[in-house]
Amino acid sequence: DIVMTQSPDSLAVALGERATINCKSSQSVFYSSNNQNYLNWYQQKPGQPPKLIIYRASTRESGVPDRFSGSGSGTDFTLTITSLQPEDVAVYYCQQYYGIPCTFGQGTKLEIK
Amino acid sequence: EVQLVGSGGGLVQPGGSLRLSCAASGFSFSSYWMSWVRQAPGKGLEWVANIKQDGSEKNYVDSVKGRFTISRDNAKNSLSLQITSLRAEDTAIYYCTRGRWTQDFWGQGTLVTVSS
Repeated sequence: DIVMTQSPDSLAVALGERATINCKSSQSVFYSSNNQNYLNWYQQKPGQPPKLIIYRASTRESGVPDRFSGSGSGTDFTLTITSLQPEDVAVYYCQQYYGIPCTFGQGTKLEIK
Repeated sequence: EVQLVGSGGGLVQPGGSLRLSCAASGFSFSSYWMSWVRQAPGKGLEWVANIKQDGSEKNYVDSVKGRFTISRDNAKNSLSLQITSLRAEDTAIYYCTRGRWTQDFWGQGTLVTVSS
Protein backbone atom coordinates (compact mmCIF):
# COMPACT_ATOMS: atom_id res chain seq x y z
CA ASP A 1 0.00 0.00 0.00
CA ILE A 2 1.10 3.58 -0.61
CA VAL A 3 1.96 5.26 2.68
CA MET A 4 1.02 8.91 3.12
CA THR A 5 2.98 10.92 5.67
CA GLN A 6 1.88 14.39 6.71
CA SER A 7 3.90 17.04 8.48
CA PRO A 8 3.61 18.51 10.95
CA ASP A 9 1.23 16.48 13.11
CA SER A 10 -0.09 19.71 14.59
CA LEU A 11 0.23 23.35 13.79
CA ALA A 12 -0.74 26.60 15.51
CA VAL A 13 -1.03 29.70 13.36
CA ALA A 14 -2.18 33.21 14.19
CA LEU A 15 -5.38 34.54 12.67
CA GLY A 16 -4.68 36.14 9.33
CA GLU A 17 -1.40 34.30 8.88
CA ARG A 18 -0.49 31.48 6.47
CA ALA A 19 -0.73 27.79 7.33
CA THR A 20 1.19 25.18 5.37
CA ILE A 21 0.64 21.44 5.62
CA ASN A 22 2.82 18.94 3.81
CA CYS A 23 2.02 15.47 2.53
CA LYS A 24 4.49 12.95 1.16
CA SER A 25 3.64 9.69 -0.56
CA SER A 26 5.83 6.58 -0.48
CA GLN A 27 5.63 6.40 -4.26
CA SER A 28 4.55 8.74 -7.01
CA VAL A 29 0.81 9.35 -7.38
CA PHE A 30 1.22 11.09 -10.73
CA TYR A 31 -0.67 9.39 -13.55
CA SER A 32 1.20 10.28 -16.70
CA SER A 33 -1.51 9.18 -19.14
CA ASN A 34 -3.73 12.08 -18.09
CA ASN A 35 -1.14 14.32 -16.42
CA GLN A 36 -2.95 14.24 -13.10
CA ASN A 37 -1.89 13.71 -9.52
CA TYR A 38 -4.27 11.38 -7.71
CA LEU A 39 -4.17 13.31 -4.45
CA ASN A 40 -7.02 14.84 -2.43
CA TRP A 41 -7.27 16.98 0.69
CA TYR A 42 -10.06 16.77 3.27
CA GLN A 43 -10.98 19.00 6.17
CA GLN A 44 -12.58 17.56 9.31
CA LYS A 45 -13.95 20.01 11.83
CA PRO A 46 -14.61 18.85 15.40
CA GLY A 47 -17.64 16.58 15.63
CA GLN A 48 -18.22 16.57 11.87
CA PRO A 49 -17.50 14.18 9.01
CA PRO A 50 -14.65 15.06 6.67
CA LYS A 51 -15.25 17.38 3.75
CA LEU A 52 -13.46 17.30 0.40
CA ILE A 53 -11.68 20.61 -0.18
CA ILE A 54 -9.04 19.91 -2.87
CA TYR A 55 -8.99 17.17 -5.49
CA ARG A 56 -6.35 16.16 -8.01
CA ALA A 57 -3.79 17.99 -5.94
CA SER A 58 -4.78 21.54 -6.85
CA THR A 59 -8.46 21.88 -7.81
CA ARG A 60 -10.69 23.45 -5.20
CA GLU A 61 -14.03 21.79 -4.61
CA SER A 62 -17.05 23.97 -5.32
CA GLY A 63 -17.76 26.43 -2.52
CA VAL A 64 -14.32 26.17 -0.92
CA PRO A 65 -12.84 29.62 -0.22
CA ASP A 66 -9.94 30.64 -2.42
CA ARG A 67 -7.66 31.05 0.60
CA PHE A 68 -7.27 27.26 0.32
CA SER A 69 -4.84 26.04 -2.32
CA GLY A 70 -3.09 22.80 -3.15
CA SER A 71 0.19 22.28 -4.92
CA GLY A 72 2.83 19.69 -5.64
CA SER A 73 3.37 16.70 -7.89
CA GLY A 74 4.69 13.18 -7.81
CA THR A 75 5.39 12.45 -4.15
CA ASP A 76 5.36 15.86 -2.44
CA PHE A 77 2.27 17.96 -1.90
CA THR A 78 1.27 21.03 0.08
CA LEU A 79 -2.00 22.45 1.34
CA THR A 80 -1.78 26.17 1.97
CA ILE A 81 -4.30 28.29 3.80
CA THR A 82 -3.62 31.99 3.41
CA SER A 83 -5.06 34.40 5.96
CA LEU A 84 -6.24 31.82 8.51
CA GLN A 85 -9.82 32.23 9.76
CA PRO A 86 -11.37 30.86 12.99
CA GLU A 87 -13.55 28.47 10.98
CA ASP A 88 -10.43 26.82 9.52
CA VAL A 89 -9.66 25.07 12.82
CA ALA A 90 -9.79 21.41 11.85
CA VAL A 91 -7.82 18.29 11.13
CA TYR A 92 -6.63 18.08 7.53
CA TYR A 93 -6.01 14.81 5.71
CA CYS A 94 -4.37 14.05 2.40
CA GLN A 95 -5.45 10.97 0.45
CA GLN A 96 -3.98 9.18 -2.54
CA TYR A 97 -5.98 7.08 -4.93
CA TYR A 98 -3.27 6.13 -7.40
CA GLY A 99 -2.86 2.80 -5.66
CA ILE A 100 -5.52 0.44 -4.39
CA PRO A 101 -6.46 0.70 -1.62
CA CYS A 102 -6.65 4.45 -1.45
CA THR A 103 -4.88 5.60 1.69
CA PHE A 104 -4.94 8.64 3.92
CA GLY A 105 -2.28 10.54 5.78
CA GLN A 106 -2.40 10.49 9.58
CA GLY A 107 -3.86 14.00 9.72
CA THR A 108 -2.60 17.44 10.72
CA LYS A 109 -4.40 19.30 13.48
CA LEU A 110 -4.59 23.04 12.79
CA GLU A 111 -5.24 25.40 15.67
CA ILE A 112 -5.23 29.13 16.28
CA LYS A 113 -2.19 30.59 18.01
CA GLU B 1 -29.33 18.73 -1.14
CA VAL B 2 -27.23 15.59 -0.96
CA GLN B 3 -27.93 13.58 2.18
CA LEU B 4 -26.41 10.33 3.39
CA VAL B 5 -27.99 9.02 6.57
CA GLY B 6 -26.31 6.10 8.21
CA SER B 7 -27.80 3.70 10.71
CA GLY B 8 -27.33 0.27 12.24
CA GLY B 9 -24.35 0.84 14.50
CA GLY B 10 -24.18 -0.25 18.09
CA LEU B 11 -22.38 -2.28 20.72
CA VAL B 12 -21.52 -5.80 19.67
CA GLN B 13 -19.40 -8.54 21.19
CA PRO B 14 -16.23 -9.78 19.52
CA GLY B 15 -17.12 -12.30 16.85
CA GLY B 16 -20.55 -10.75 16.38
CA SER B 17 -22.22 -9.21 13.35
CA LEU B 18 -23.98 -6.03 12.34
CA ARG B 19 -25.57 -4.63 9.22
CA LEU B 20 -24.98 -0.96 8.54
CA SER B 21 -27.28 0.95 6.23
CA CYS B 22 -27.14 4.28 4.47
CA ALA B 23 -30.14 6.08 2.98
CA ALA B 24 -29.17 8.39 0.14
CA SER B 25 -31.16 11.32 -1.20
CA GLY B 26 -30.71 14.49 -3.19
CA PHE B 27 -28.80 12.94 -6.08
CA SER B 28 -29.06 10.18 -8.64
CA PHE B 29 -27.86 7.33 -6.42
CA SER B 30 -27.64 4.77 -9.21
CA SER B 31 -25.17 6.98 -11.10
CA TYR B 32 -22.43 6.93 -8.46
CA TRP B 33 -19.92 4.59 -6.96
CA MET B 34 -20.42 4.49 -3.19
CA SER B 35 -18.00 3.75 -0.39
CA TRP B 36 -17.60 3.16 3.32
CA VAL B 37 -14.79 4.87 5.21
CA ARG B 38 -14.15 4.34 8.91
CA GLN B 39 -12.48 6.27 11.68
CA ALA B 40 -11.45 4.70 14.97
CA PRO B 41 -12.08 6.95 18.00
CA GLY B 42 -9.57 9.79 17.98
CA LYS B 43 -7.75 8.31 14.99
CA GLY B 44 -7.41 8.87 11.27
CA LEU B 45 -9.40 7.75 8.25
CA GLU B 46 -9.39 4.31 6.63
CA TRP B 47 -11.17 3.47 3.40
CA VAL B 48 -13.04 0.19 3.85
CA ALA B 49 -14.93 -0.74 0.69
CA ASN B 50 -16.59 0.56 -2.44
CA ILE B 51 -19.18 -0.63 -4.94
CA LYS B 52 -19.84 0.22 -8.57
CA GLN B 53 -23.06 1.83 -9.75
CA ASP B 54 -24.67 -1.47 -10.74
CA GLY B 55 -23.06 -3.51 -7.99
CA SER B 56 -20.94 -5.49 -10.46
CA GLU B 57 -17.61 -4.47 -8.93
CA LYS B 58 -16.64 -4.31 -5.29
CA ASN B 59 -13.33 -3.53 -3.61
CA TYR B 60 -12.25 -4.05 0.00
CA VAL B 61 -9.29 -3.15 2.16
CA ASP B 62 -7.35 -6.33 3.01
CA SER B 63 -8.16 -6.19 6.72
CA VAL B 64 -11.89 -6.71 6.10
CA LYS B 65 -11.86 -9.09 3.13
CA GLY B 66 -13.95 -12.14 3.83
CA ARG B 67 -15.65 -10.49 6.82
CA PHE B 68 -17.36 -7.42 5.35
CA THR B 69 -19.76 -7.33 2.40
CA ILE B 70 -20.85 -4.14 0.67
CA SER B 71 -24.10 -4.06 -1.26
CA ARG B 72 -26.61 -1.60 -2.67
CA ASP B 73 -30.26 -1.37 -3.65
CA ASN B 74 -30.66 1.26 -6.32
CA ALA B 75 -34.46 1.00 -6.24
CA LYS B 76 -34.37 2.05 -2.59
CA ASN B 77 -31.39 4.44 -2.83
CA SER B 78 -29.71 2.40 -0.15
CA LEU B 79 -26.17 1.27 0.62
CA SER B 80 -25.33 -1.46 3.10
CA LEU B 81 -22.33 -2.98 4.82
CA GLN B 82 -22.69 -6.41 6.38
CA ILE B 83 -19.94 -6.83 8.94
CA THR B 84 -19.18 -10.19 10.56
CA SER B 85 -16.53 -11.76 12.79
CA LEU B 86 -16.07 -8.39 14.44
CA ARG B 87 -12.84 -7.58 16.23
CA ALA B 88 -11.95 -4.88 18.73
CA GLU B 89 -9.98 -3.10 16.01
CA ASP B 90 -13.16 -2.70 13.96
CA THR B 91 -14.45 -0.23 16.56
CA ALA B 92 -14.98 2.99 14.62
CA ILE B 93 -17.38 5.48 13.17
CA TYR B 94 -18.41 4.14 9.78
CA TYR B 95 -19.10 6.82 7.19
CA CYS B 96 -21.19 6.27 4.10
CA THR B 97 -19.63 8.32 1.30
CA ARG B 98 -20.28 9.12 -2.32
CA GLY B 99 -17.52 8.28 -4.74
CA ARG B 100 -15.21 5.51 -5.81
CA TRP B 101 -11.90 6.84 -4.46
CA THR B 102 -12.61 10.57 -4.10
CA GLN B 103 -15.29 11.00 -1.42
CA ASP B 104 -17.18 14.15 -2.32
CA PHE B 105 -20.02 13.75 0.19
CA TRP B 106 -19.99 12.11 3.60
CA GLY B 107 -22.78 11.07 5.91
CA GLN B 108 -22.65 11.78 9.64
CA GLY B 109 -21.51 8.27 10.38
CA THR B 110 -22.68 5.44 12.58
CA LEU B 111 -20.64 4.17 15.53
CA VAL B 112 -19.73 0.52 15.86
CA THR B 113 -18.26 -0.54 19.19
CA VAL B 114 -16.84 -4.03 19.56
CA SER B 115 -16.45 -4.96 23.20
CA SER B 116 -17.33 -7.73 25.61
